[in-house]
Amino acid sequence: EDQVTQSPEALRLQEGESSSLNCSYTVSGLRGLFWYRQDPGKGPEFLFTLYSAGEEKEKERLKATLTKKESFLHITAPKPEDSATYLCAVQASGGSNYKLTFGKGTLLTVNP
Amino acid sequence: SQTIHQWPATLVQPVGSPLSLECTVEGTSNPNLYWYRQAAGRGLQLLFYSVGIGQISSEVPQNLSASRPQDRQFILSSKKLLLSDSGFYLCACRGNWYGYTFGSGTRLTVV
Repeated sequence: EDQVTQSPEALRLQEGESSSLNCSYTVSGLRGLFWYRQDPGKGPEFLFTLYSAGEEKEKERLKATLTKKESFLHITAPKPEDSATYLCAVQASGGSNYKLTFGKGTLLTVNP
Repeated sequence: SQTIHQWPATLVQPVGSPLSLECTVEGTSNPNLYWYRQAAGRGLQLLFYSVGIGQISSEVPQNLSASRPQDRQFILSSKKLLLSDSGFYLCACRGNWYGYTFGSGTRLTVV
């Protein structure tokens, strides 16, 4: 069974204080690893897809990296508007259902 | 690009009442569609998925059911709601890439 564990559960940062979120996973063959951002009361918003170990993706203050066992979401000089829950999900290779298995998320709060 | 419409945004229903949540998709054809539930303190739990009209796969045994009467319509239903059915329900669509686009969700409170 595919599993995703995210840590920490919650993270509080000061504006400008860089940090990283962790996503550890076990999957029977990885098709892709996905990062989403979710604001309160809204649906998740897509951030990145990573497909193979060593791959990196960047978007503004966010950078996602991938190894064979985990992924990191690095946040550089965060701003209060980066406050949200960040979700990690994996998709196993093979089959046509393309199911995503999600972690419980990391609630990030950035104080001004 | 795909757009997912979900309604209603919020719903308060008594225990034992029926439920019908609807999701429609624009901007794609023959998509894979998914229903997820997000409960407090828990991650997104996959409930049902559909790879085509009339094709429904259930991931979690429960008193919910799903139907796909049209290519871009996905419905989540229950005949009798339980307190444990409360949560945030999200419809998602897989388009031309491996990830999903999500709808805005329905907050269901069973009282």
